[in-house]
This record gives sequence, structure tokens and C-alpha cells, in this order.
Amino acid sequence: SAVISQKPSRDICQRGTSLTIQCQVDSQVTMMFWYRQQPGQSLTLIATANQGSEATYESGFVIDKFPISRPNLTFSTLTVSNLSPEDSSIYLCSVDATGSSGANVLTFGAGSRLTVL
Amino acid sequence: AQTVTQSQPEMSVQEAETVTLSCTYDTSESNYYLFWYKQPPSRQMILVIRQEAYKQQNATENRFSVNFQKAAKSFSLKISDSQLGDTAMYFCAFMKGYGNKLVFGAGTILRVKS
Repeated sequence: SAVISQKPSRDICQRGTSLTIQCQVDSQVTMMFWYRQQPGQSLTLIATANQGSEATYESGFVIDKFPISRPNLTFSTLTVSNLSPEDSSIYLCSVDATGSSGANVLTFGAGSRLTVL
Repeated sequence: AQTVTQSQPEMSVQEAETVTLSCTYDTSESNYYLFWYKQPPSRQMILVIRQEAYKQQNATENRFSVNFQKAAKSFSLKISDSQLGDTAMYFCAFMKGYGNKLVFGAGTILRVKS
């Protein structure tokens, strides 16, 4: 399965600023997914990023707040803009890569823990 | 829309014993995938096991096995010979088809005691 490098691992930011999270994959993948995990909660999909097209956002998430770039088949960034304490969460990227069995396997990055003061 | 329900917020089990985590889901799709993911304190999401809905045979991976009841829309995870390293949050997840998003349940915290 794919290996994902996600940066930063953690960061502490001031309210009103922005944070950009990077996701690098060791193989080409068509779709990349960005999830948010609020403290003690489950994972919620923010958006799906395809190379060469605009990201598709889930209900409750907007491009102005969570702009996403997908310049090629191995890389994506998620920016969390105009930070407030409610944005304190773990942000994870995920890719859909074919496993050794031939069936699709979803692999996750290690996550980026954001704390907003 | 698909929903995934995990009704057990927390579970405990003694080392070497067996524990079953419950999961139910709701969908009108006929073909889909179901997953169990483990998230230890390191927060890394680790795939435990995957089940394809068109396969009647229950998936197994070493000490981990599932009881997939398609008609009942139930997908429970059985962990045999529990180990301290199994302590983690376990998420049940649903995917409609290849390349689609994962929909997660609320999670079950499993604590393995020595």
C-alpha cells in the first residue's frame, strides 16, 4: 500500500492566522481525501481532491475556509484559514491505493495536530 | 446517505481473552466495502480488516475476524487472544464503492488489561 508523509506533525497557531498541511504520497494516486478529527470524536470528511480539478467539499465545509491544492498525482495541501479555537483538531489525509490483494485499500497519513490559541 | 453506528463507546477485556465490537450500518447500496480501523494513541489510522459486501465469507486477519450479516446490516469485529497492544480506538467504516469516501462510526475505545 501507499506510504504517506504528512507535515507538520503538530503545530500551535494564533487565532486569525492560517496553517497549511502537506501530504506527500510515494506513488501516484487519483484521489486524495482530507479528514478532520475533532478532540475525542470520529473522522469527518472535509473534501476530496482530484488532480487537475477543483476539490469537492462536503456539506459544512467551504473552500474559503479550507482551500485545497492538488498540483500533481503525489501531492496535496490543505490550508485551514482564519483560525479559531474551534479549528483545533487532527487533520488527516488519506489515499485510495491498490493493495497487494488487488482490492482497494485506504491508507492514512499520521495526521497533523493543530492547536489554536 | 450512509450511516454507521457503533453502540459501545468503551470496552474492556483481559489479556488473552476474546472481545467483540459491534457495528451496524444503513445503506441502500448492494455493493460496498466495510472496514475496521484501529487508532492507537499515536493517532495513526491502521487498517485492521476489510470486507467486500458481495463476498459471503467472513474476512479474517490472524487474530481478527468479522461477523458480516448483510441482511441485518451488521459488521462486528472479534479480537481473539487480546494483547496489550490492541488497546486503541476502533472505528467501523463504510465505503460505497471504489474511490468513494469512507463514512466512519463514532468509535469504540478498547482497553486490554493485564
